[in-house]
Amino acid sequence: AQTVTQSQPEMSVQEAETVTLSCTYDTSESNYYLFWYKQPPSRQMILVIRQEAYKQQNATENRFSVNFQKAAKSFSLKISDSQLGDTAMYFCAFGGGVTSGSRLTFGEGTQLTVNP
Amino acid sequence: DSGVTQTPKHLITATGQRVTLRCSPRSGDLSVYWYQQSLDQGLQFLIQYYNGEERAKGNILERFSAQQFPDLHSELNLSSLELGDSALYFCASSMRVGGGYTFGSGTRLTVV
Repeated sequence: AQTVTQSQPEMSVQEAETVTLSCTYDTSESNYYLFWYKQPPSRQMILVIRQEAYKQQNATENRFSVNFQKAAKSFSLKISDSQLGDTAMYFCAFGGGVTSGSRLTFGEGTQLTVNP
Repeated sequence: DSGVTQTPKHLITATGQRVTLRCSPRSGDLSVYWYQQSLDQGLQFLIQYYNGEERAKGNILERFSAQQFPDLHSELNLSSLELGDSALYFCASSMRVGGGYTFGSGTRLTVV
């Protein structure tokens, strides 16, 4: 079974600065997908970014980018120019493997607070 | 609006009761997933349906059941409710593997 670990329960950053959230996972699969979801105080789950494991190029979405290290099974999220609206719980998720199918396995989350 | 509709948004009920949560997936999505999020915790996968058939089952209690109807909407039935069942229940839908999910806004269930 796949596991996803987020070792930072809480983080804080000053507005306009850069912050990196860590995620590691364990799997025997070779092809899969990785995701970062954001859950603001409204509790809505919002897809931030996705990475296909067979692609070496790191995914980027505006101020959000990932550092995907397949051999190390690491998938960190970098948020540049942090904004107050980035304050949220961030979840790393694994899915799309042969055994896991399309269901997602989530980490426990990192609560990010952006301070003015 | 994400395109995934969950009703009701809030539900308060007593222990021992039975409730039904409803989800309408985004147009065109054949897969529906149910997740449970207890207070300040991650999301736990409960069950997946694809085009009316059960596709995968996670940590779903025997007191819980689900189904997906021909129009692709899904219902999650929770019975003999206990205090520990209080949680946020999410429905999500997807069109293909790896595309990521679209989540509904969730149903907040409080068992008193």
